[in-house]
Amino acid sequence: SYVLSQPPSVSVAPGQTATISCGGDSLGRKSVHWYQQRPGQAPLLVIYSGDDRPSGIPERFSGSTSGDTATLTINRVEVGDEAEYFCQVWDRSSNHYVFGTGTEVTVL
Amino acid sequence: EVRLVESGGGLVKPGGSLRLSCVASGLSLNNVWASWVRQVAGEDLEWVGRIKSEIDGGTADFANFVKARFSLSRDHSKNMIYLQMNSLKVEDTGLYYCATVSGSRFEFWGRGVLVTVSS
Repeated sequence: SYVLSQPPSVSVAPGQTATISCGGDSLGRKSVHWYQQRPGQAPLLVIYSGDDRPSGIPERFSGSTSGDTATLTINRVEVGDEAEYFCQVWDRSSNHYVFGTGTEVTVL
Repeated sequence: EVRLVESGGGLVKPGGSLRLSCVASGLSLNNVWASWVRQVAGEDLEWVGRIKSEIDGGTADFANFVKARFSLSRDHSKNMIYLQMNSLKVEDTGLYYCATVSGSRFEFWGRGVLVTVSS
């Protein structure tokens, strides 16, 4: 089955830039989506199709994909960005939706 | 504003059954693809199953771990979808979210409903 790997945690100071990676075989050929999940809340779509932002998501959030890695970048990090972030794709070969292992972002 | 609300969770013994419901406001569940995603142990997100819109055939697909134990259905008049879960196992314990599917992404999510399978 298709696997997406993420680092367990990332720490960043307020105002700095957080980068969260997501690795998977031939990931650059897939449409990658990112979700933010604050404690006690449902996941929230923050980036879709690699680099598009849903309405209401700040421009500080951006995404990119190259080769086997997708990256979520959060510029000018705020305390409110502290959350778990998950990447996700649809795997055509299995017709399954797959989530990454999640990365906890801590704002120091 | 789109809102999804799940219900029907609870405590059930291994081998038992539960039916989860998801009601929508702000959109018609008949016209969208909808999924259930679960979160186990407060950590990993796992896709459970998806039902296509009526216009796309209304068929359902499931994750491998379901193994024919679960089914998905719609009630058009109530704007609801249901996840019928049979032969439940301890490892099915988790928070179950209803979500709409747009393209290959989960666009709108409910707040989730807790399912606990324990003897």
